[in-house]
Amino acid sequence: AQKITQTQPGMFVQEKEAVTLDCTYDTSDQSYGLFWYKQPSSGEMIFLIYQGSYDEQNATEGRYSLNFQKARKSANLVISASQLGDSAMYFCAMRGNSNDYKLSFGAGTTVTVRA
Amino acid sequence: DGGITQSPKYLFRKEGQNVTLSCEQNLNHDAMYWYRQDPGQGLRLIYYSQIVNDFQKGDIAEGYSVSREKKESFPLTVTSAQKNPTAFYLCASSSDAGGSDTQYFGPGTRLTVL
Repeated sequence: AQKITQTQPGMFVQEKEAVTLDCTYDTSDQSYGLFWYKQPSSGEMIFLIYQGSYDEQNATEGRYSLNFQKARKSANLVISASQLGDSAMYFCAMRGNSNDYKLSFGAGTTVTVRA
Repeated sequence: DGGITQSPKYLFRKEGQNVTLSCEQNLNHDAMYWYRQDPGQGLRLIYYSQIVNDFQKGDIAEGYSVSREKKESFPLTVTSAQKNPTAFYLCASSSDAGGSDTQYFGPGTRLTVL
């Protein structure tokens, strides 16, 4: 079974500062993928970034970067230079070869950016 | 524009009624998925389909049914057997069902049972 844990239910960050969202996972799979999604108040899930378990470098996409520490089974999302539009719910998810096509989601972290 | 559309955005149902949620994609994706989200929680998989005319149950399939007669369409029926159907429903698709393949989501349908 796969399990995703996001321990921060809510966070506040000042505009233009960086914020780190924690994500730890548990799996016995050797090959797996880790995903981060953003869900604004409108409800749609927006894909942000992907990290494969065999990728040697941390993934980056614009202001988003993933701090992948395989031995610790953590995949933290870093948002740099926060903007007001970053206020949303953020979900960590994973997919493993034993779980085929299922994305397992964490409970999410709400981020509020203050001006 | 390529994307995933879901309709309606809001849906109200009386107890005992079946309702069907629409999901259409023009991304030419093979795989499609249905998720349920309850307030303050993550997503849970209801059903998924890797190819036309084939689909599999997810973690919470009881009280739901699906069909996949066309590649572009994956409608979800919430039956009267679903005991607590009030939730936010999200449809997703991916180019295939491989481990690294990203799932892209539609805007969602909010279902309320009156």
